[in-house]
Amino acid sequence: GDSVTQKEGLVTLTEGLPVMLNCTYQTIYSNAFLFWYVHYLNESPRLLLKSSTDNKRTEHQGFHATLHKSSSSFHLQKSSAQLSDSALYYCALRNSNNRIFFGDGTQLVVKP
Amino acid sequence: DPKIIQKPKYLVAVTGSEKILICEQYLGHNAMYWYRQSAKKPLEFMFSYSYQKLMDNQTASSRFQPQSSKKNHLDLQITALKPDDSATYFCASSQDGGGDSDYTFGSGTRLLVI
Repeated sequence: GDSVTQKEGLVTLTEGLPVMLNCTYQTIYSNAFLFWYVHYLNESPRLLLKSSTDNKRTEHQGFHATLHKSSSSFHLQKSSAQLSDSALYYCALRNSNNRIFFGDGTQLVVKP
Repeated sequence: DPKIIQKPKYLVAVTGSEKILICEQYLGHNAMYWYRQSAKKPLEFMFSYSYQKLMDNQTASSRFQPQSSKKNHLDLQITALKPDDSATYFCASSQDGGGDSDYTFGSGTRLLVI
């Protein structure tokens, strides 16, 4: 069946260091669409990035991710973490039922 | 102006009672969804509707009943409330064309059952 795996539940970083949040997925759907959502405390989850194109880098607000279908991965990266990046990040997959299925989320904490 | 309105923002209910969570979207989308987020748990899919018809249902309990009176409304009725139902309930919508159409979320209703 369809699934999304975010193996890190919590990532703690010092401001200025690079960010990498892992996401792998499994789906029977040949044309997978992957998403990253960011969820700040007391706000709505909102879209950060999305992609369906293999090996193409997608960027938004300093974050980037590349969908690699060969490894079923869609890792989220940023070159330099900021304090304001502290939030819960969800990787998500649109499955064959046309529904977006969210991973367990990775809590990113950026410290001064 | 918020594009998806969820009411109320906070709700306290007594065990065994019934409540309705309201969701209205003004994005012109044809698909709407309910998700739940319990404490220290990820977003959990509950229902999806497209053109006011139920498309997908992952909630085992019949105590949760979505109601769509209009294309841009998808309310959630919860009966016989239990403390375990305490969570933040998020409504979302999208233009249901599949592909890379993403969801827009409302601000959520925080439900506490005592």
